[in-house]
Amino acid sequence: RKEVEQDPGPFNVPEGATVAFNCTYSNSASQSFFWYRQDCRKEPKLLMSVYSSGNEDGRFTAQLNRASQYISLLIRDSKLSDSATYLCVVNGDSGYALNFGKGTSLLVTP
Amino acid sequence: DAGVTQSPTHLIKTRGQQVTLRCSPKSGHDTVSWYQQALGQGPQFIFQYYEEEERQRGNFPDRFSGHQFPNYSSELNVNALLLGDSALYLCASTPGQNNSPLHFGNGTRLTVT
Repeated sequence: RKEVEQDPGPFNVPEGATVAFNCTYSNSASQSFFWYRQDCRKEPKLLMSVYSSGNEDGRFTAQLNRASQYISLLIRDSKLSDSATYLCVVNGDSGYALNFGKGTSLLVTP
Repeated sequence: DAGVTQSPTHLIKTRGQQVTLRCSPKSGHDTVSWYQQALGQGPQFIFQYYEEEERQRGNFPDRFSGHQFPNYSSELNVNALLLGDSALYLCASTPGQNNSPLHFGNGTRLTVT
């Protein structure tokens, strides 16, 4: 089983739509969780950290469910500029390495 | 405040050759991690350097080696290049504590022919 699994998509949504991405992780001892955004042929950039109580940053909401080992990202009122690949990131066994999912591709259309 | 810088940006090598990629971490960061990202895949962890030592290694063969210098900059060396080594190589830095998010450089795109 891969350490971090994501639905690769692609998700094609119209502007203004709400879209949710899910991610599962295998290591129950993981403590660090992040969502990164990666534009085509660019480096990944931190979108937001994910906290146990859930957290929100503008149109973006992240949730963590430790019991199910599941992380989600909700994007409200999608913009064309949200089109990108969204990477779920979880720390591994030793705590040093951060492991990435394969990414979920989002295309927001006019 | 300079972010993470990597060189070169692009590189073309022939199978069997050796390559060295370079990385300078973000100011104030002392830990450097290297990742390989093949097309259509997420970044895969190669190794992490802290205090000039390899602190953790991912599932990569010994052909992949690295180094960290006293100024925290780092090199990634790959020997006996294979076609499958063609990928985007990403360097990321953190301030050293666990649970810190990674800050990535622009990457080096390596093509092996």
